[in-house]
Amino acid sequence: GEQVEQLPSSLIVQEGASVLINCSYTDSASVYFPWYKQEPGKRLQFIIDIRSNMERKQNQRLTLLFDKKTKHLSLHITATQPGDSAIYFCSAPSGSWQLIFGSGTQLTVMP
Amino acid sequence: GALVYQYPRRTICKSGTSMRMECQAVGFQATSVAWYRQSPQKTFELIALSTVNSAIKYEQNFTQEKFPISHPNLSFSSMTVLNAYLEDRGLYLCGAREVALNYAEQFFGPGTRLTVL
Repeated sequence: GEQVEQLPSSLIVQEGASVLINCSYTDSASVYFPWYKQEPGKRLQFIIDIRSNMERKQNQRLTLLFDKKTKHLSLHITATQPGDSAIYFCSAPSGSWQLIFGSGTQLTVMP
Repeated sequence: GALVYQYPRRTICKSGTSMRMECQAVGFQATSVAWYRQSPQKTFELIALSTVNSAIKYEQNFTQEKFPISHPNLSFSSMTVLNAYLEDRGLYLCGAREVALNYAEQFFGPGTRLTVL
């Protein structure tokens, strides 16, 4: 089945910095990759996704890059703010649509 | 809008006892519901996928005997943790989807946090 690896496990940056979160997956048949954000005490929040027929997708300060050949994804967050502090998860579908999640990246943005 | 509610939000049970948690979809038809567990180490594990009128598919390391699931209609699903022990503690999430929509966003509930004493 699908396996997803995510690095780094944690990031601490100053406000305004850019960060990069990397994920790799194993199932070449996977075609859809949603990313989520989890803030303390809040529900898992969808933030961006990409399909396998795309190489890049941008949503405001988020840019998601996808390399089908290497089965690799990268989430780039620019101009970080303290409100961006959360755990970020990449995911890939297992079977039909249920998700296999990466291990998460704890992002802390210091003011 | 589409929302998923989970009850209870937090629960504490004694080791060896059982507890039931519920997942309710509002604003869309939850044809499929996936149950996940987030461990204290923050990783998510997929427990099972339930689709109305189909057999429930459990992932490796999770069984119907331990985590029986009911999905009687398009708005409700429940899961019971039988004979809970320390390793069962964590945040249990349900994610629901309207299968008719390809690549539809999966909506997550806030989770039920289980503490086992």
